[in-house]
Amino acid sequence: SYEVTQPPSVSVFPGQTASITCSGDKLGDKYASWYQQKPGQSPVLVIYQDIKRPSGIPERFSGSNSGNTATLTISGTQAMDEADYYCQAWDTSTVVFGGGTKLTVL
Amino acid sequence: QITLKESGPTLVKPTQTLTLTCTFSGFSLNISGVGVGWIRQPPGKALEWLALIYWNDDKRYSPSLKSRLTITKDTSKNQVVLTMTNMDPVDTATYYCAHSGSNWIDPWGQGTLVTVSS
Repeated sequence: SYEVTQPPSVSVFPGQTASITCSGDKLGDKYASWYQQKPGQSPVLVIYQDIKRPSGIPERFSGSNSGNTATLTISGTQAMDEADYYCQAWDTSTVVFGGGTKLTVL
Repeated sequence: QITLKESGPTLVKPTQTLTLTCTFSGFSLNISGVGVGWIRQPPGKALEWLALIYWNDDKRYSPSLKSRLTITKDTSKNQVVLTMTNMDPVDTATYYCAHSGSNWIDPWGQGTLVTVSS
């Protein structure tokens, strides 16, 4: 079955750019989405269809997807962005989640 | 405004069947392209997708759990029901339902913690 892989953790200083990757075979041929989950809360969609931001998501969140890697980029990272981030792809009409990346804002 | 809420038992015994209900508002499961899915998350672990049902009754299941899962919808009640058979302690998790579009899952319900223990 299809799998996508994320780094377990990423650290960033406030104001800097954080990049979280998601790798999978020919992932660029599929749509990738990204979800933010803070402790004790439900996941929230922050990027869908590779690059689109839902209403209410700050512009500092952006996405890309090419080749075997999708990337979530957070520009000007803020303390409030500290959370777990999950990538998600669709494969033959089933859904696959990555293992999640814990973003720490130092 | 779309909202979803999960309901069901908080404690089940091993080998029992779990039945969870997702009650939603703010959208209709009669509309083309709309779906409702289930995702779970064991304590301290990652999200795991379980199942999805579409407006046209098309159903999709996690390949690894397909033999244990059944998803159904009651459009008149705005509800989606997930059943999972032969529950085991490793199935202890928070179970979420969520609205699904063509390529996204949003929003999610608040989740319900199900513990499997004798």
